[in-house]
Amino acid sequence: GDSVTQTEGPVTVSESESLIINCTYSATSIAYPNLFWYVRYPGEGLQLLLKVITAGQKGSSRGFEATYNKETTSFHLQKASVQESDSAVYYCALGDRGYAQGLTFGLGTRVSVFP
Amino acid sequence: GPKVLQIPSHQIIDMGQMVTLNCDPVSNHLYFYWYKQILGQQMEFLVNFYNGKVMEKSKLFKDQFSVERPDGSYFTLKIQPTALEDSAVYFCASSLREDTQYFGPGTRLLVL
Repeated sequence: GDSVTQTEGPVTVSESESLIINCTYSATSIAYPNLFWYVRYPGEGLQLLLKVITAGQKGSSRGFEATYNKETTSFHLQKASVQESDSAVYYCALGDRGYAQGLTFGLGTRVSVFP
Repeated sequence: GPKVLQIPSHQIIDMGQMVTLNCDPVSNHLYFYWYKQILGQQMEFLVNFYNGKVMEKSKLFKDQFSVERPDGSYFTLKIQPTALEDSAVYFCASSLREDTQYFGPGTRLLVL
């Protein structure tokens, strides 16, 4: 089946430092997967951070970036300079293009940013 | 952004009883989903629903589970009877088309 593996947390980083959360996927049943990063801030629900549906493209939002790399089956999330407000749990996920199927999620990576 | 609401936020129930989890999806959305997350494990897809019908269900969607959206109101997940292994956080999601899913905050279910 399909699977997503991401950096095991928790990850602790100081404010203004860079952050990278690794995500690799295996899409055995999906020819053209869509890739997502979702985020859950403390006390809030899961919300979409960014998505990319085409291999080779980069998505960005709130200073975060992720590039869909079909060769390495990766979709790493990066931010050059984090803020305390970036403390959250980040989830990598994949879905099937054009089908309202369930998403396959990673375990989530808890990130704590300290001032 | 669009909000999905879930009621209740927490539910404690005795094994064998019935429970109904309610989801208030984004108003113009057409596709609805339930996911289950056991503590320490990843969120897993249970079922999706469109035009009054289940489109797809995973192996986690046991015979004791059912979903419906009567009269276009709440999208519900019913478990009857409940089992200990049903203890988890259940997340509802909705989407307008076959694209971005918007998630609710979850209902934490504890079966004793």
